[in-house]
Amino acid sequence: QVHLVESGGDVVQPGRSLRLSCAASGSTLNLHIIHWVRQAPGKGLEWVAAESFDGISRYYSDSVKGRFTVSRDITTNTQYLQLNNLRTEDTAVYYCARGAYTSGYCDVFDTWGQGTMVTVSS
Amino acid sequence: DIQMTQSPSTLSASVGARVTITCRASQSISSWLAWYQQKPGKAPKLLIYMASSLERGVPSRFSGSGSGTEFTLTISSLQPDDSATYYCQHNSRYPPSFGPGTRVEIK
Repeated sequence: QVHLVESGGDVVQPGRSLRLSCAASGSTLNLHIIHWVRQAPGKGLEWVAAESFDGISRYYSDSVKGRFTVSRDITTNTQYLQLNNLRTEDTAVYYCARGAYTSGYCDVFDTWGQGTMVTVSS
Repeated sequence: DIQMTQSPSTLSASVGARVTITCRASQSISSWLAWYQQKPGKAPKLLIYMASSLERGVPSRFSGSGSGTEFTLTISSLQPDDSATYYCQHNSRYPPSFGPGTRVEIK
Protein backbone atom coordinates (compact mmCIF):
# COMPACT_ATOMS: atom_id res chain seq x y z
CA GLN A 1 0.00 0.00 0.00
CA VAL A 2 1.65 3.21 -1.17
CA HIS A 3 1.60 6.21 1.15
CA LEU A 4 2.33 9.77 -0.01
CA VAL A 5 3.34 12.64 2.26
CA GLU A 6 3.74 16.20 1.03
CA SER A 7 5.80 18.88 2.74
CA GLY A 8 7.31 22.28 2.07
CA GLY A 9 4.25 24.50 2.01
CA ASP A 10 4.72 27.98 3.43
CA VAL A 11 3.69 31.64 3.26
CA VAL A 12 5.79 33.49 0.68
CA GLN A 13 5.75 36.83 -1.09
CA PRO A 14 4.89 37.19 -4.78
CA GLY A 15 7.87 36.52 -7.01
CA ARG A 16 9.58 34.22 -4.52
CA SER A 17 10.25 30.50 -4.83
CA LEU A 18 9.35 27.36 -2.91
CA ARG A 19 10.05 23.65 -3.26
CA LEU A 20 7.45 21.07 -2.35
CA SER A 21 8.29 17.45 -1.61
CA CYS A 22 6.25 14.28 -1.99
CA ALA A 23 7.74 11.34 -0.13
CA ALA A 24 6.50 7.89 -1.09
CA SER A 25 6.56 4.77 1.03
CA GLY A 26 5.33 1.30 0.24
CA SER A 27 6.14 1.63 -3.46
CA THR A 28 8.90 2.96 -5.64
CA LEU A 29 8.36 6.13 -7.64
CA ASN A 30 9.95 4.75 -10.78
CA LEU A 31 6.98 2.40 -11.20
CA HIS A 32 4.39 5.16 -11.31
CA ILE A 33 3.70 8.62 -12.58
CA ILE A 34 3.29 11.11 -9.75
CA HIS A 35 1.03 14.06 -10.41
CA TRP A 36 0.56 17.36 -8.64
CA VAL A 37 -2.97 18.69 -8.21
CA ARG A 38 -3.87 21.91 -6.42
CA GLN A 39 -6.98 23.36 -4.86
CA ALA A 40 -7.37 27.06 -4.15
CA PRO A 41 -9.32 27.90 -0.99
CA GLY A 42 -13.00 27.14 -1.53
CA LYS A 43 -12.41 26.15 -5.16
CA GLY A 44 -12.22 23.00 -7.24
CA LEU A 45 -9.35 20.74 -8.25
CA GLU A 46 -6.75 21.80 -10.82
CA TRP A 47 -4.14 19.46 -12.28
CA VAL A 48 -0.73 21.12 -12.26
CA ALA A 49 2.11 18.86 -13.37
CA ALA A 50 3.42 15.32 -13.74
CA GLU A 51 6.61 13.46 -14.52
CA SER A 52 6.71 10.12 -16.32
CA PHE A 53 7.80 7.03 -14.41
CA ASP A 54 11.13 7.00 -16.25
CA GLY A 55 11.73 10.69 -15.54
CA ILE A 56 12.00 11.50 -19.24
CA SER A 57 8.71 13.27 -19.89
CA ARG A 58 7.28 16.15 -17.93
CA TYR A 59 3.86 17.71 -18.33
CA TYR A 60 2.59 21.06 -17.10
CA SER A 61 -0.63 23.02 -17.12
CA ASP A 62 -0.55 26.26 -19.07
CA SER A 63 -1.02 28.21 -15.85
CA VAL A 64 2.33 27.05 -14.42
CA LYS A 65 4.41 26.26 -17.51
CA GLY A 66 7.74 28.04 -17.39
CA ARG A 67 7.45 28.70 -13.63
CA PHE A 68 7.05 25.26 -12.02
CA THR A 69 9.36 22.24 -12.48
CA VAL A 70 8.89 18.62 -11.44
CA SER A 71 11.80 16.35 -10.60
CA ARG A 72 12.46 13.21 -8.58
CA ASP A 73 15.14 11.58 -6.48
CA ILE A 74 14.85 7.83 -6.89
CA THR A 75 17.36 7.19 -4.11
CA THR A 76 15.07 8.81 -1.53
CA ASN A 77 11.79 7.91 -3.30
CA THR A 78 10.81 11.56 -3.31
CA GLN A 79 9.20 13.73 -5.98
CA TYR A 80 9.64 17.49 -5.99
CA LEU A 81 7.71 20.44 -7.35
CA GLN A 82 9.79 23.60 -7.67
CA LEU A 83 7.60 26.70 -7.67
CA ASN A 84 9.29 29.84 -9.05
CA ASN A 85 8.00 33.38 -9.61
CA LEU A 86 4.99 32.68 -7.43
CA ARG A 87 1.78 34.64 -7.91
CA THR A 88 -1.11 35.26 -5.55
CA GLU A 89 -3.25 32.99 -7.74
CA ASP A 90 -0.91 30.09 -6.91
CA THR A 91 -2.28 30.09 -3.36
CA ALA A 92 -3.68 26.61 -2.82
CA VAL A 93 -3.37 23.25 -1.14
CA TYR A 94 -0.97 21.20 -3.27
CA TYR A 95 -1.54 17.45 -3.41
CA CYS A 96 0.67 14.80 -4.94
CA ALA A 97 -1.19 11.81 -6.31
CA ARG A 98 -0.22 8.50 -7.88
CA GLY A 99 -1.27 7.83 -11.44
CA ALA A 100 -3.24 4.66 -12.20
CA TYR A 101 -5.65 3.09 -14.70
CA THR A 102 -3.99 4.93 -17.52
CA SER A 103 -5.61 5.53 -20.89
CA GLY A 104 -2.13 5.13 -22.32
CA TYR A 105 -1.86 8.89 -22.43
CA CYS A 106 -2.96 10.02 -19.01
CA ASP A 107 -3.98 8.71 -15.59
CA VAL A 108 -6.56 8.84 -12.90
CA PHE A 109 -5.31 9.33 -9.38
CA ASP A 110 -5.77 6.39 -7.01
CA THR A 111 -3.66 7.49 -4.04
CA TRP A 112 -3.32 11.02 -2.69
CA GLY A 113 -1.21 12.69 -0.05
CA GLN A 114 -2.74 14.86 2.64
CA GLY A 115 -1.74 18.09 0.92
CA THR A 116 0.53 21.02 1.79
CA MET A 117 -0.63 24.66 1.86
CA VAL A 118 1.09 27.33 -0.18
CA THR A 119 0.09 30.92 0.50
CA VAL A 120 1.40 33.68 -1.73
CA SER A 121 0.81 37.07 -0.20
CA SER A 122 2.60 40.37 0.25
CA ASP B 1 -7.89 21.32 -23.98
CA ILE B 2 -10.96 19.34 -22.90
CA GLN B 3 -13.42 21.19 -20.66
CA MET B 4 -15.54 19.35 -18.11
CA THR B 5 -18.89 20.53 -16.77
CA GLN B 6 -21.09 19.09 -14.04
CA SER B 7 -24.71 19.45 -13.03
CA PRO B 8 -26.19 20.24 -10.67
CA SER B 9 -23.69 22.32 -8.71
CA THR B 10 -25.47 21.47 -5.47
CA LEU B 11 -28.11 18.95 -4.54
CA SER B 12 -29.93 18.12 -1.35
CA ALA B 13 -31.58 14.76 -0.81
CA SER B 14 -32.85 12.55 1.98
CA VAL B 15 -31.18 9.44 3.32
CA GLY B 16 -32.14 6.52 1.11
CA ALA B 17 -32.77 8.64 -1.97
CA ARG B 18 -31.35 7.82 -5.39
CA VAL B 19 -29.02 10.59 -6.52
CA THR B 20 -27.60 11.25 -10.00
CA ILE B 21 -24.83 13.67 -10.99
CA THR B 22 -24.10 14.45 -14.63
CA CYS B 23 -20.70 15.24 -16.14
CA ARG B 24 -20.15 16.42 -19.71
CA ALA B 25 -16.95 16.70 -21.71
CA SER B 26 -16.40 19.31 -24.42
CA GLN B 27 -15.34 16.53 -26.82
CA SER B 28 -15.43 12.77 -26.87
CA ILE B 29 -13.27 11.09 -24.21
CA SER B 30 -14.45 7.52 -24.88
CA SER B 31 -14.73 5.99 -21.38
CA TRP B 32 -11.73 7.78 -19.88
CA LEU B 33 -13.65 9.32 -17.02
CA ALA B 34 -13.20 9.09 -13.27
CA TRP B 35 -15.23 10.22 -10.28
CA TYR B 36 -13.87 11.40 -6.93
CA GLN B 37 -15.40 12.15 -3.55
CA GLN B 38 -13.94 14.91 -1.40
CA LYS B 39 -14.89 15.76 2.16
CA PRO B 40 -13.92 19.10 3.77
CA GLY B 41 -10.27 19.29 4.71
CA LYS B 42 -9.49 15.92 3.13
CA ALA B 43 -7.85 14.74 -0.06
CA PRO B 44 -10.09 13.46 -2.86
CA LYS B 45 -10.88 9.76 -2.96
CA LEU B 46 -11.19 7.81 -6.19
CA LEU B 47 -14.61 6.17 -6.57
CA ILE B 48 -14.99 5.20 -10.23
CA TYR B 49 -12.56 4.89 -13.14
CA MET B 50 -13.05 4.08 -16.82
CA ALA B 51 -16.55 5.55 -16.47
CA SER B 52 -18.05 2.51 -14.73
CA SER B 53 -15.36 0.51 -12.86
CA LEU B 54 -15.70 0.65 -9.10
CA GLU B 55 -12.47 1.27 -7.21
CA ARG B 56 -11.63 -1.38 -4.59
CA GLY B 57 -13.25 -0.73 -1.25
CA VAL B 58 -15.88 1.67 -2.59
CA PRO B 59 -19.44 0.77 -1.58
CA SER B 60 -21.56 -0.79 -4.31
CA ARG B 61 -24.22 1.91 -3.96
CA PHE B 62 -21.93 4.04 -6.13
CA SER B 63 -22.06 3.40 -9.87
CA GLY B 64 -20.99 5.18 -13.02
CA SER B 65 -22.13 5.07 -16.61
CA GLY B 66 -21.73 6.83 -19.92
CA SER B 67 -19.31 7.22 -22.79
CA GLY B 68 -18.31 9.81 -25.33
CA THR B 69 -19.28 13.15 -23.86
CA GLU B 70 -21.97 12.42 -21.25
CA PHE B 71 -21.50 10.54 -18.00
CA THR B 72 -23.39 9.97 -14.77
CA LEU B 73 -22.53 9.08 -11.20
CA THR B 74 -25.38 7.45 -9.29
CA ILE B 75 -25.70 6.84 -5.58
CA SER B 76 -28.45 4.24 -5.32
CA SER B 77 -29.35 4.85 -1.66
CA LEU B 78 -27.89 8.00 -0.17
CA GLN B 79 -26.20 7.59 3.22
CA PRO B 80 -25.18 10.25 5.75
CA ASP B 81 -21.50 9.50 5.05
CA ASP B 82 -22.04 10.47 1.38
CA SER B 83 -22.26 14.16 2.22
CA ALA B 84 -19.34 15.52 0.18
CA THR B 85 -18.33 17.21 -3.05
CA TYR B 86 -18.03 15.00 -6.12
CA TYR B 87 -15.71 15.71 -9.05
CA CYS B 88 -15.43 14.11 -12.45
CA GLN B 89 -12.06 14.02 -14.24
CA HIS B 90 -11.07 12.96 -17.75
CA ASN B 91 -7.84 11.06 -18.40
CA SER B 92 -8.14 10.95 -22.17
CA ARG B 93 -4.96 12.95 -22.70
CA TYR B 94 -2.91 15.73 -21.20
CA PRO B 95 -3.87 17.94 -19.60
CA PRO B 96 -6.31 15.97 -17.46
CA SER B 97 -9.04 18.23 -16.13
CA PHE B 98 -11.73 18.14 -13.48
CA GLY B 99 -15.31 19.25 -13.46
CA PRO B 100 -16.25 22.11 -11.13
CA GLY B 101 -17.77 19.76 -8.57
CA THR B 102 -21.21 18.86 -7.23
CA ARG B 103 -21.89 19.37 -3.56
CA VAL B 104 -24.21 16.74 -2.10
CA GLU B 105 -26.04 17.60 1.09
CA ILE B 106 -28.25 15.42 3.26
CA LYS B 107 -31.69 16.82 4.06
